[in-house]
Amino acid sequence: GDSVTQMEGPVTLSEEAFLTINCTYTATGYPSLFWYVQYPGEGLQLLLKATKADDKGSNKGFEATYRKETTSFHLEKGSVQVSDSAVYFCALSEPANAGGTSYGKLTFGQGTILTVHP
Amino acid sequence: DTGVSQDPRHKITKRGQNVTFRCDPISEHNRLYWYRQTLGQGPEFLTYFQNEAQLEKSRLLSDRFSAERPKGSFSTLEIQRTEQGDSAMYLCASSLQTVRGYTFGSGTRLTVV
Repeated sequence: GDSVTQMEGPVTLSEEAFLTINCTYTATGYPSLFWYVQYPGEGLQLLLKATKADDKGSNKGFEATYRKETTSFHLEKGSVQVSDSAVYFCALSEPANAGGTSYGKLTFGQGTILTVHP
Repeated sequence: DTGVSQDPRHKITKRGQNVTFRCDPISEHNRLYWYRQTLGQGPEFLTYFQNEAQLEKSRLLSDRFSAERPKGSFSTLEIQRTEQGDSAMYLCASSLQTVRGYTFGSGTRLTVV
């Protein structure tokens, strides 16, 4: 079955440091890939997505590139801020298909806690 | 667009009691998903509705769990005879097209004592 593996955390950085959170996946088809963020006390928010190989998703200074050859979707940010402290989840979704075997549900990694200090 | 609403935000119940949660998706979204998130883990898929039809259920959804989406609008998730292992955050998400991503509600945190 599908699975997502994220680098183990937690990750602690100083403000303005470079961030990388690794994510690799296993999937039977050609999934869409997502990064979600969960701030303390809040629900999951979509951070960025990519739907096919070599696509780059970007938002709020975060980037991730869909690498089919390495089955990876690593999250990067050049200069983190204290406000980026949160839990980050990598996820995949197999496309819903006419055969009815996939309905686009998300498979999540275990999450990576990021703490940024001033 | 008021987002996905879940009610209640928190629920504390005694073991063996029944509980019911409600999810109101974004009005034009025909796809609705329930997930469960335990502490320190990513959300796990429970069940999926397309309009009013429940099309997929996870093996995690034991016989004590039931979900409905009458008329393809709001959805309810009921847990009968709750156990301490049911303590978790229950998340609802809706979408129109999956490749555009999902909108999650803030979740219902269940504590079984």
